[in-house]
Amino acid sequence: NAGVTQTPKFQVLKTGQSMTLQCAQDMNHEYMSWYRQDPGMGLRLIHYSVGAGITDQGEVPNGYNVSRSTTEDFPLRLLSAAPSQTSVYFCASRGANPSAAQSSYNSPLHFGNGTRLTVT
Amino acid sequence: GQNIDQPTEMTATEGAIVQINCTYQTSGFNGLFWYQQHAGEAPTFLSYNVLDGLEEKGRFSSFLSRSKGYSYLLLKELQMKDSASYLCAVDTGRRALTFGSGTRLQVQP
Repeated sequence: NAGVTQTPKFQVLKTGQSMTLQCAQDMNHEYMSWYRQDPGMGLRLIHYSVGAGITDQGEVPNGYNVSRSTTEDFPLRLLSAAPSQTSVYFCASRGANPSAAQSSYNSPLHFGNGTRLTVT
Repeated sequence: GQNIDQPTEMTATEGAIVQINCTYQTSGFNGLFWYQQHAGEAPTFLSYNVLDGLEEKGRFSSFLSRSKGYSYLLLKELQMKDSASYLCAVDTGRRALTFGSGTRLQVQP
């Protein structure tokens, strides 16, 4: 099991360029998400998906698009990069979630190794 | 909105015990997670609480009081390798986790 795989690890873009951050998981997880992490601000949710064909916006979705055509893949697209999008990006997935009322266990988020993006 | 508060930084001595607090005010609650994150690395899962009380896992324990919107992570017998950021996160019921800003712990010899 590779877990959650993100590519690339590092990327430098010029303002206005577009690119796609790739994320794949081999754990058959229904739920996938993208976070960005900036100093002093913690992890902030960009977009998430609860299954193939279903996506929704998180806390900071502007400037980013996602799609979920398969259970395994959840790419993040930057349409026109801006310096404010300089950040570390993490993809994360979770397995099935039993009702909290039925079980004291909840599946944790599994994170990829991150992509460090710089926009100049 | 969602609000999760943690201290920004803490310092402790090798071999000691440290308690990292987390308070939360969220629109929903389906459990609270603690993650550890070393510099330049991805967060890794430490513990989960959904019922009030203490969960113990080796040197790490986590406590939850839902009525007070409060949790803490207790680290015993501190080691140098415990120097990291510790992230508190709440499952607000939409499957997404909302994270606090994290507490950077420095362990000194």
